[in-house]
Amino acid sequence: ETGVTQSPTHLIKTRGQQVTLRCSSQSGHNTVSWYQQALGQGPQFIFQYYREEENGRGNFPPRFSGLQFPNYSSELNVNALELDDSALYLCASSLAGQVYGYTFGSGTRLTVV
Amino acid sequence: ELKVEQNPLFLSMQEGKNYTIYCNYSTTSDRLYWYRQDPGKSLESLFVLLSNGAVKQEGRLMASLDTKARLSTLHITAAVHDLSATYFCAVEGSRGTYKYIFGTGTRLKVLA
Repeated sequence: ETGVTQSPTHLIKTRGQQVTLRCSSQSGHNTVSWYQQALGQGPQFIFQYYREEENGRGNFPPRFSGLQFPNYSSELNVNALELDDSALYLCASSLAGQVYGYTFGSGTRLTVV
Repeated sequence: ELKVEQNPLFLSMQEGKNYTIYCNYSTTSDRLYWYRQDPGKSLESLFVLLSNGAVKQEGRLMASLDTKARLSTLHITAAVHDLSATYFCAVEGSRGTYKYIFGTGTRLKVLA
């Protein structure tokens, strides 16, 4: 059984640029969620995708957007990067209806300069 | 809005000692999750607590859930250095949404 894989592992971008982060869900999982974790803080829910549709969103502006593909892989896109977007971005997958929680990926460390 | 608070935020303890981390949340929920995070790493699932009175144990860690008090505890018995990490509790915002609200985290350092 494969886990959740994310790419890239590290990324440096300039303020105002756009970024795309990628995630491959664990085999058999059909739900993916993205979390932002600033340094020293707990993860914050960005949004969730189920069957290629957004299925819940946290308090993040529209410049944070996502996609889920038929093979359940996912992308997180952030436009007009701001310095405060610097964080660890975590992708997590699960199987809808099961209660045992997420499997988290290893994350992408984004630094905005 | 659901809020999840942990205390303490920082915990430095000697090897061999016992201690408890507390997780309080503000609205009704019967699903609570504990995760461990090592520096620069992702989140590792420790426990899933699904009902009032649930108790789970793994090695030196034991977690419990009291949904009436909206409280979960993570008890550490005879701590060892390898337990040094940050521990998070998370509560599902609304049942079935998978929108987890995480606590602030407890940074544990076990001193040899």
